[in-house]
Amino acid sequence: DAKTTQPPSMDCAEGRAANLPCNHSTISGNEYVYWYRQIHSQGPQYIIHGLKNNETNEMASLIITEDRKSSTLILPHATLRDTAVYYCIVRPATSGTYKYIFGTGTRLKVLA
Amino acid sequence: EADIYQTPRYLVIGTGKKITLECSQTMGHDKMYWYQQDPGMELHLIHYSYGVNSTEKGDLSSESTVSRIRTEHFPLTLESARPSHTSQYLCASSFRAEAFFGQGTRLTVV
Repeated sequence: DAKTTQPPSMDCAEGRAANLPCNHSTISGNEYVYWYRQIHSQGPQYIIHGLKNNETNEMASLIITEDRKSSTLILPHATLRDTAVYYCIVRPATSGTYKYIFGTGTRLKVLA
Repeated sequence: EADIYQTPRYLVIGTGKKITLECSQTMGHDKMYWYQQDPGMELHLIHYSYGVNSTEKGDLSSESTVSRIRTEHFPLTLESARPSHTSQYLCASSFRAEAFFGQGTRLTVV
């Protein structure tokens, strides 16, 4: 399974866009990019996933580079409630044996 | 809304006691997972299951054991709790893509 690299922490002003990068240079053709977040000590929450096209849902947008070696999660108008640890995971979409390994993630702090 | 439940939410127990942390999901997911997480630290996978009667050790060694006799139930047991077991334990399930997490059990062994 491809590994990911994320910055350990970021700050963002409330109301501004938060752009969280993720490097996954060893990603293979059948692997998707997933994003989860963990608010305080709650269980992680799914945000979005994508293969190669950009994706958008009610929570965020996901921009994947053309070579698929990196991606950016965008929270368009960050609020204080978006303060959390954000995890980028690479995995096959329907693998029967994937174990969901979480790395250290990016600790995003939204500032008032 | 995910239907995965963990009980108890909080547990304080004495050293040497046997404990079982419960995890149940009503989504019919085959895959289930247990993670251990200390405050402010990484999530570590300690056990996983791909279906009934299937259990595997995760990437972090743990003295706990698990069982999967029914699809919806994936309990974790510590035969003899120690202070080093103090942590948060998170259970999750998945079908294809998305994983759903419970609220966690915060265990304190005194």
